[in-house]
Amino acid sequence: QKEVEQDPGPLSVPEGAIVSLNCTYSNSAFQYFMWYRQYSRKGPELLMYTYSSGNKEDGRFTAQVDKSSKYISLFIRDSQPSDSATYLCAVSGGGNKLTFGTGTQLKVEL
Amino acid sequence: KAGVTQTPRYLIKTRGQQVTLSCSPISGHRSVSWYQQTPGQGLQFLFEYFSETQRNKGNFPGRFSGRQFSNSRSEMNVSTLELGDSALYLCASSLEDTRTDTQYFGPGTRLTVL
Repeated sequence: QKEVEQDPGPLSVPEGAIVSLNCTYSNSAFQYFMWYRQYSRKGPELLMYTYSSGNKEDGRFTAQVDKSSKYISLFIRDSQPSDSATYLCAVSGGGNKLTFGTGTQLKVEL
Repeated sequence: KAGVTQTPRYLIKTRGQQVTLSCSPISGHRSVSWYQQTPGQGLQFLFEYFSETQRNKGNFPGRFSGRQFSNSRSEMNVSTLELGDSALYLCASSLEDTRTDTQYFGPGTRLTVL
């Protein structure tokens, strides 16, 4: 079993839709949670960084962490074609070693 | 501020050869981590260097090695290349190593092993 599970998609939504991306993890020692976005032929870029349980909002993006169920989510409101990318969740127990999910491919259609 | 740079961007090698990839972190960043990205396994942590010392290591064979120089630039080396080493190799830099710090990724080096 992988330490971080993520539905690979692909996920296709119409422009303006609310997108929900999810990951589950198995190790309760993880306490740092991140979402990265990766465009084709580019390196991942950090979208959201949260520590422990709770919600964090940044513009159209909201990250949620539920440590009791080992579940993390990213919501994208009013999705745009420019949001089309692969979204990767990442977790860490401390230090800079990140464990990534396999990524969800998102396509936002006009 | 310039981002993380990686050279070369593309490489083609044959089985049995060795390869060296280079990473220049963001100015002032002292931690450099390396990851391998493949379609089947996703992003996997290789190792991390901080102040020229390897601080963390992932589950990769000894053919994969790295080093960091006094200016924080880092190199990774893969010896005796195998077909399965074909991947995108990503470097990420961050300020600290004492906690999970924001990591900034470079564009990667695409390695193809024939």
